[in-house]
Amino acid sequence: DTAVSQTPKYLVTQMGNDKSIKCEQNLGHDTMYWYKQDSKKFLKIMFSYNNKELIINETVPNRFSPKSPDKAHLNLHINSLELGDSAVYFCASSQGQQFNQPQHFGDGTRLSIL
Amino acid sequence: ILNVEQSPQSLHVQEGDSTNFTCSFPSSNFYALHWYRWETAKSPEALFVMTLNGDEKKKGRISATLNTKEGYSYLYIKGSQPEDSATYLCAYYAGNNRKLIWGLGTSLAVNP
Repeated sequence: DTAVSQTPKYLVTQMGNDKSIKCEQNLGHDTMYWYKQDSKKFLKIMFSYNNKELIINETVPNRFSPKSPDKAHLNLHINSLELGDSAVYFCASSQGQQFNQPQHFGDGTRLSIL
Repeated sequence: ILNVEQSPQSLHVQEGDSTNFTCSFPSSNFYALHWYRWETAKSPEALFVMTLNGDEKKKGRISATLNTKEGYSYLYIKGSQPEDSATYLCAYYAGNNRKLIWGLGTSLAVNP
């Protein structure tokens, strides 16, 4: 069973569209994250939720809105997609907010804006 | 600004060679240091989480050490194999911050 799964794996869409990426973890973790891997391959935190509550909200355009219906799911909705949103987006989870616990990553969603 | 620096940026070794690389981080407010292995077309996979100065951790042929006073960690791979080819990322967590700060990684290629 996949521990952290995100869908879709690839997403190709037109500029201006609205799209969502879903993430689910079956590890029983209570903290989930969204990262963006930029063109330099750098992993940059976007959001973190603990028990459905937002705990990290980095400087991200408000076109990006995370939603956590329960602690096993953290979805990312993006409005009015722009060319600069093209990137690989990774979901991750960990046990608690203690950063002495490793993070478990999904396989990534490659978003391409035409 | 918190910076995590990894060196070298890339490394090519022959199968059987032992190798090591460095992660440097600010020594103030240290809480934890993470190492991850990231193979091409896969997701990052946790190797170690280290919290105490002088910590040494080992997983098979891979080991890591931690010096929180001077702000560095070494990752060692003994007898490199082609399957060790990957990018090795470190990430640092400061107690006064609430997120991991990631390095850019060391890209290792092991030639058979």
